[in-house]
Amino acid sequence: GAVVSQHPSWVICKSGTSVKIECRSLDFQATTMFWYRQFPKQSLMLMATSNEGSKATYEQGVEKDKFLINHASLTLSTLTVTSAHPEDSSFYICSARVAGRETQYFGPGTRLLVL
Amino acid sequence: AQTVTQSQPEMSVQEAETVTLSCTYDTSESDYYLFWYKQPPSRQMILVIRQEAYKQQNATENRFSVNFQKAAKSFSLKISDSQLGDAAMYFCAYYNTMEYGNKLVFGAGTILRVKS
Repeated sequence: GAVVSQHPSWVICKSGTSVKIECRSLDFQATTMFWYRQFPKQSLMLMATSNEGSKATYEQGVEKDKFLINHASLTLSTLTVTSAHPEDSSFYICSARVAGRETQYFGPGTRLLVL
Repeated sequence: AQTVTQSQPEMSVQEAETVTLSCTYDTSESDYYLFWYKQPPSRQMILVIRQEAYKQQNATENRFSVNFQKAAKSFSLKISDSQLGDAAMYFCAYYNTMEYGNKLVFGAGTILRVKS
């Protein structure tokens, strides 16, 4: 149980285009989902927290207009990187938690390369 | 001040041997959760073990066990009979809703290399 999927697993796009990453909780209802960014050999940096049906809460320094997060249902959250630039190239990981529970489950991550 | 500190950027262990990864944290709360996550080369984060602060007993999961010292705010991970598949980056994490809401606070990570 507690499986989180992400799609796509990797994506290459041209500078200036937008990319959408999907995160799904497959066997549980995720009231809260998280989006992280990770650089090689570094820890996870929290970008934003989203609760189903409400606006995402972004961490300081994260551009909300650039990283659009939607948590439309209890099993799906999406991250859209708008007008992507090479500096947005990174590994993006989503995570999910059930309300009232403390354990977070992670998706397999999405590698984004912006050319 | 850093909430979760992993002071060992890299560690090495011989296959079949035991290794201990250290983690210290800073909090004034008495009720919280601590986790160890493993991130192998695939980069999928995998929950290794969790500890509830109000429980005195150290958590164990097969070859993985923790040494939870609440007064010292220490939460080390012991891996027994190390296997090649244990090679990964290990993250210690802290969770307390009173301090950080819904957020999980991670340490910087420790890269574990397993030698055959």
